[in-house]
Amino acid sequence: EDQVTQSPEALRLQEGESSSLNCSYTVSGLRGLFWYRQDPGKGPEFLFTLYSAGEEKEKERLKATLTKKESFLHITAPKPEDSATYLCAVGQGGSEKLVFGKGMKLTVNP
Amino acid sequence: GAVVSQHPSWVICKSGTSVKIECRSLDFQATTMFWYRQFPKQSLMLMATSNEGSKATYEQGVEKDKFLINHASLTLSTLTVTSAHPEDSSFYICSARDIGLGTYEQYFGPGTRLTVT
Repeated sequence: EDQVTQSPEALRLQEGESSSLNCSYTVSGLRGLFWYRQDPGKGPEFLFTLYSAGEEKEKERLKATLTKKESFLHITAPKPEDSATYLCAVGQGGSEKLVFGKGMKLTVNP
Repeated sequence: GAVVSQHPSWVICKSGTSVKIECRSLDFQATTMFWYRQFPKQSLMLMATSNEGSKATYEQGVEKDKFLINHASLTLSTLTVTSAHPEDSSFYICSARDIGLGTYEQYFGPGTRLTVT
């Protein structure tokens, strides 16, 4: 059974304190690993897609990396506006569905 | 690009009535749309996959007669909650794939908050 596990479940940082979020997965035939950001009461906002081990993508203070078993979302010098829930999802070969992790709530204090 | 809208953004209805939620891809075509449900402080739960011009595929445990899905065009899918009850109160979110990109990420709408009284 495909599984996506995110850790930690919640993280509090001070503004400027860099950290990483982890997403470990088991899936047969990875068809992409996806990172989303979700603000309270809103739909998820697409951030990145990673397709193969070793791939990296960056957007502002965020950088996503991928290995064969896990992905990391690195947050460099976060700001309070980076506070949100970050969701990780995987796509499986042969299916259009995504399997989501439970999410990680990030709070960045000023 | 890749903008998905939902209407209404929130709705309150009485128990026993039906509610329709619309999901539109505004700047791309979507042969496949997805409907999710999200409970407070929980992740997304896929309810069904909607394909343009064909019947939706429901996930195990989701009542297809209660949650009617229609995907009549490449830019519009609707979810109708029939005979709604308080336990149907939830946050409903749709998403869509941009077939023009040839990738698998899904773009999400802003969600619809349903409250059944």
